[in-house]
Amino acid sequence: NAGVTQTPKFRVLKTGQSMTLLCAQDMNHEYMYWYRQDPGMGLRLIHYSVGEGTTAKGEVPDGYNVSRLKKQNFLLGLESAAPSQTSVYFCASSYRQDNEKLFFGSGTQLSVL
Amino acid sequence: AQTVTQSQPEMSVQEAETVTLSCTYDTSESDYYLFWYKQPPSRQMILVIRQEAYKQQNATENRFSVNFQKAAKSFSLKISDSQLGDAAMYFCAYALYYGGATNKLIFGTGTLLAVQP
Repeated sequence: NAGVTQTPKFRVLKTGQSMTLLCAQDMNHEYMYWYRQDPGMGLRLIHYSVGEGTTAKGEVPDGYNVSRLKKQNFLLGLESAAPSQTSVYFCASSYRQDNEKLFFGSGTQLSVL
Repeated sequence: AQTVTQSQPEMSVQEAETVTLSCTYDTSESDYYLFWYKQPPSRQMILVIRQEAYKQQNATENRFSVNFQKAAKSFSLKISDSQLGDAAMYFCAYALYYGGATNKLIFGTGTLLAVQP
């Protein structure tokens, strides 16, 4: 009964370092999303995917890359981390036919020093 | 562009009382969905209730109900018989509906609800 699992849950990076956040879902969902949450700004969509092998830009894609090589996994990469990327990152997934019902992971707290 | 506005950064309610959270949105579209999500301290986002814009009847889920005013572009959430477990951040969200599916969600900035025992 895992649902959407994000790893890691916490991470501290130095400016310029790279890292990958992993999102895994076991519900056979077609759609997957990456959001960032900042105080006073709600959730903003970074990138999303409507199926294996596909990705698309969201509202704030700059500085991030994503990949969806397997249906159950959606990776978010930061090639050169910046302090402005300090945030809480949420992964979500949904069925194609009912894609307004998002299932969220528990988030990753990322700090870039 | 569509926007979602939650004008109440924080709200407080006594246990067993009723509280209403406000949300307004801006869109020129006619087919869309509106949602309320709950985010407790665990950070897990939980769907509370959703409303299809073409339905005039307000959605209800147990103690949670909405007041959907399409002409006014208003979508408030009423929580009745508030419980300590209702304490959380609440997000209003909008999604455009076309082609038989909804587009990506646009979230408001959230309202932090405290429940006093």
